[in-house]
Amino acid sequence: AQTVTQSQPEMSVQEAETVTLSCTYDTSESDYYLFWYKQPPSRQMILVIRQEAYKQQNATENRFSVNFQKAAKSFSLKISDSQLGDAAMYFCAYSSTGANSKLTFGKGITLSVRP
Amino acid sequence: NAGVMQNPRHLVRRRGQEARLRCSPMKGHSHVYWYRQLPEEGLKFMVYLQKENIIDESGMPKERFSAEFPKEGPSILRIQQVVRGDSAAYFCASSQNWGTEGYTFGSGTRLTVV
Repeated sequence: AQTVTQSQPEMSVQEAETVTLSCTYDTSESDYYLFWYKQPPSRQMILVIRQEAYKQQNATENRFSVNFQKAAKSFSLKISDSQLGDAAMYFCAYSSTGANSKLTFGKGITLSVRP
Repeated sequence: NAGVMQNPRHLVRRRGQEARLRCSPMKGHSHVYWYRQLPEEGLKFMVYLQKENIIDESGMPKERFSAEFPKEGPSILRIQQVVRGDSAAYFCASSQNWGTEGYTFGSGTRLTVV
């Protein structure tokens, strides 16, 4: 079974600075998807970024980018130019590519942004 | 372009009552997933359904919980004889093709059992 580990329960960043959130996972599959989701106090789960394992290039979405290290099974999220609106819980998640795939989540990390 | 719609947003039930949570997937999505989130925890998979079929219910408790996704209408997660431990946020997600393009989540239903 796949597992996703987020070992840091909380992080804090100064507004306009850069922060990196860590995530590791365990799988025996060679092809899969990785995701970062944001959950603000509204509770809505918002997709931040998605990475396909067979693509070596790291995904980027505006201020959000990932460092995908397939051999190390590491998938960290970098937030550049942090904004107050980035404060939320962030969840790393894994999904297989097969027909019965589903998301497996880490426990999440609470990010606070200091003005 | 409505996203995934869940209702109710909040639900209060007394111990022993039944809870029914509804989820209408995003237009064009035929795959529905239910997740449960306990306080300070990540989301835990419960069940995966396609129209009229349960594909994977490996995360569902064996008793009191059931789910359906009929040919017409929303997906329903049903919890019979609720207990305090069922209090949690329940999220529904939908996808088009086994999640290969990503999963879209609803806003969740917060169930409180008193």
